[in-house]
Amino acid sequence: GAVVSQHPSRVICKSGTSVKIECRSLDFQATTMFWYRQFPKQSLMLMATSNEGSKATYEQGVEKDKFLINHASLTLSTLTVTSAHPEDSSFYICSAGKPRSYNEQFFGPGTRLTVL
Amino acid sequence: GDSVTQMEGPVTLSEEAFLTINCTYTATGYPSLFWYVQYPGEGLQLLLKATKADDKGSNKGFEATYRKETTSFHLEKGSVQVSDSAVYFCALSGPNTGNQFYFGTGTSLTVIP
Repeated sequence: GAVVSQHPSRVICKSGTSVKIECRSLDFQATTMFWYRQFPKQSLMLMATSNEGSKATYEQGVEKDKFLINHASLTLSTLTVTSAHPEDSSFYICSAGKPRSYNEQFFGPGTRLTVL
Repeated sequence: GDSVTQMEGPVTLSEEAFLTINCTYTATGYPSLFWYVQYPGEGLQLLLKATKADDKGSNKGFEATYRKETTSFHLEKGSVQVSDSAVYFCALSGPNTGNQFYFGTGTSLTVIP
């Protein structure tokens, strides 16, 4: 199988605080993980690509100092939303690619972030 | 650059009706094509995929054929059920995208009894 989990599934925080979202590949080692953001009734917007042991590559318009990504191991990537504001409220989804599994990504269930 | 254009919704059908959701793509090289489904409040689930021209992906009664000549990957189902109500995303990925996925805007489907 290829299962990707995210934690937490939902988080509510106060404006100005930081929130960490974890993405784990449970039964495989993920060479690359991707972080997406989805606004209500819209498609997924790729935020960044992270490779284990190296800095994440951010898409144009995504603030790397606001959305900190750490891919510390082959099974874990974290997204930290720093100094969150209400406009950061969104659905965040991660995905992971398996080695030698060409063109296949496995998506986590998503994390609903609400900033009050 | 690579992109996916997907039929806009929302789409509302009666149970047992025929479903078509159009998807066309623009890509250099030979991408793989995917349909993902998202149920309310959940992440994306792979519905089906095709990796080369003329391949047909199928799953749960849904089908889509990779048509290189028309650069299309339309999703079809002969008889929809209420449980098929969800948002459907067409996507592509390939060697020229660095294995990055490009998603369409999504099509919301509601099936009424």
